[in-house]
Amino acid sequence: DIQMTQSPSTLSASVGDRVTITCRASQSISSWLAWYQQIPGKAPILLIYKASSLESGVPSRFSGSGSGTEFTLTISSLQPDDFATYYCQQYNSYPSTFGQGTKLEIK
Amino acid sequence: EVQLVQSGAEVKKPGESLKISCKGSGYNSTSYWIGWVRQMPGKGLEWMGIIYPGDSDTRYSPSFQGQVTISADKSISTAYLQWSSLKASDTAMYYCVTPLSEFVGDDAFDIWGQGTMVTVSS
Repeated sequence: DIQMTQSPSTLSASVGDRVTITCRASQSISSWLAWYQQIPGKAPILLIYKASSLESGVPSRFSGSGSGTEFTLTISSLQPDDFATYYCQQYNSYPSTFGQGTKLEIK
Repeated sequence: EVQLVQSGAEVKKPGESLKISCKGSGYNSTSYWIGWVRQMPGKGLEWMGIIYPGDSDTRYSPSFQGQVTISADKSISTAYLQWSSLKASDTAMYYCVTPLSEFVGDDAFDIWGQGTMVTVSS
């Protein structure tokens, strides 16, 4: 299986900050990477697919980049609704696998 | 509106069997794979497996192969996740998901069900 490692595991930031979350794959996955946001008690929401494509309806302050084994999710200016847990997912090959998650907390 | 509606929460005892369901609506459900994702309490997301209702082609994560059975009934646009003998460690929220693209199983998931909480306790 392809292992996905996110860093950091926890991130403290303030409203208005720019934040970046990193996801590394144990082998090349081309651009077959997605990012999700999960608020406690809710199902995850797709933010980014194919590493950098913004899902319809997702605010433009979210962006993704990377290819191969290293990827980033950037939130350009944190809003109160953005404090949540973020997961990356590779879908280059079966089984698909998720990163362990990054919890974004209010500083 | 495209949506996946899952069956309700379950409380079971160890050793019991269980089948939970996920019904798709608002799209051509026979041309989209349906997958299952586990989330244990306080933990991350785990991809369990996925099925193509059109021909019941099924792929499992090695971690879940032999532990659960994924099936589907295309006539009623419904996928199922089944256990023959539950363990306490099966306690989790289970989400069904469908990918962005038709006919593609290895894809990002843009539609998620509301989740089914399964609690296994003696």
